[in-house]
Amino acid sequence: GAGVSQTPSNKVTEKGKYVELRCDPISGHTALYWYRQSLGQGPEFLIYFQGTGAADDSGLPNDRFFAVRPEGSVSTLKIQRTERGDSAVYLCASSFDRGPEGYTFGSGTRLTVV
Amino acid sequence: QQQVKQSPQSLIVQKGGIPIINCAYENTAFDYFPWYQQFPGKGPALLIAIRPDVSEKKEGRFTISFNKSAKQFSLHIMDSQPGDSATYFCAASIGGKIIFGKGTRLHILP
Repeated sequence: GAGVSQTPSNKVTEKGKYVELRCDPISGHTALYWYRQSLGQGPEFLIYFQGTGAADDSGLPNDRFFAVRPEGSVSTLKIQRTERGDSAVYLCASSFDRGPEGYTFGSGTRLTVV
Repeated sequence: QQQVKQSPQSLIVQKGGIPIINCAYENTAFDYFPWYQQFPGKGPALLIAIRPDVSEKKEGRFTISFNKSAKQFSLHIMDSQPGDSATYFCAASIGGKIIFGKGTRLHILP
């Protein structure tokens, strides 16, 4: 596609439920990143994939958060036992390689945990 | 060490004025300093970026000034327009990971 596509654009879930957020990167981009943006804050790094493998997952806040990219393209961010504090916009970005140039962000998924 | 500190939090400027947003960092390993513009409901979009071996970069109405010894950098927007009203983030990169400032909400008065 022309840009990074994230689905759904909005997700409302009940506390304790499991959610999956999807990211379709730009075709040919090997690097994929997940960020979380809380209201009034800058995006915070969660995890970075180079190809199929997670090259850096140091930003994942705890073991309720997990992400996969099984075929080196689409990625899914999975959140178990959601808490109200998980409410935020989850942003995905992709680039041709691990360098920061050419980072392109999607519009994000707004997750609300009620 | 990993923080990027940004100021001011918000800024109101008359059309045609020159808003200036400032950022500071601690980690000298950062090797790329981008600025992003974000409109409501959208992801951040790269505006302009600089490497630490350059003191100034200009693209259109946007200029980055970079002071490596002071570990500070700033964004100037020349001839600002109401369409420039958005949230601006400075950032710094290490190993492909981008560390963002907290953002500056800029409003340009018509």
